[in-house]
Amino acid sequence: KAGVTQTPRYLIKTRGQQVTLSCSPISGHRSVSWYQQTPGQGLQFLFEYFSETQRNKGNFPGRFSGRQFSNSRSEMNVSTLELGDSALYLCASSAEKLGNEQFFGPGTRLTVL
Amino acid sequence: KQEVTQIPAALSVPEGENLVLNCSFTDSAIYNLQWFRQDPGKGLTSLLLIQSSQREQTSGRLNASLDKSSGRSTLYIAASQPGDSATYLCAVTRSSNDYKLSFGAGTTVTVRA
Repeated sequence: KAGVTQTPRYLIKTRGQQVTLSCSPISGHRSVSWYQQTPGQGLQFLFEYFSETQRNKGNFPGRFSGRQFSNSRSEMNVSTLELGDSALYLCASSAEKLGNEQFFGPGTRLTVL
Repeated sequence: KQEVTQIPAALSVPEGENLVLNCSFTDSAIYNLQWFRQDPGKGLTSLLLIQSSQREQTSGRLNASLDKSSGRSTLYIAASQPGDSATYLCAVTRSSNDYKLSFGAGTTVTVRA
């Protein structure tokens, strides 16, 4: 079974631009979560989607948004990029079984200049 | 708010020594606890999942214990190898329909050959 995939793997943007990141979950997984990882703040939860509905949201500004499609693929969008948005963005997928074990993708490294 | 702590932040051991990694959490009302491994610049690899009703889980050289009432989990890695060098993270979830992971900051392990 293929694992969680994320595209692109690397991105370089400038302040004020917007960016869209994509995540394809493991086949059959309906839950997709997004996390931001930075050296200073560690891993912080952005949001979780299940069957195209946002079920949970972390404490991030409205510039961070996401959506999930009917095939469970998810995208997150960051508008009006700031230098502080430079981070590794990770997505995780989970099935509703086996204690909700979560599986992570390789991440997208976003650099904002 | 759930706070997850991992001490020590870094650990260096000679090859062959057993590793003991600690994780503590402030709210004992957890659904599950998951241990992950992260190599530099990479995504997270799930190592073990312990549901709140369980006391321990084992996989090969890895054994994780959970004492929910005292808010502690320990990951044991037997006979460490240089390939075990990585950052180890623990994370907890609150309920069966809450997929948000609350992470510790991680313990960075170096196994010296």
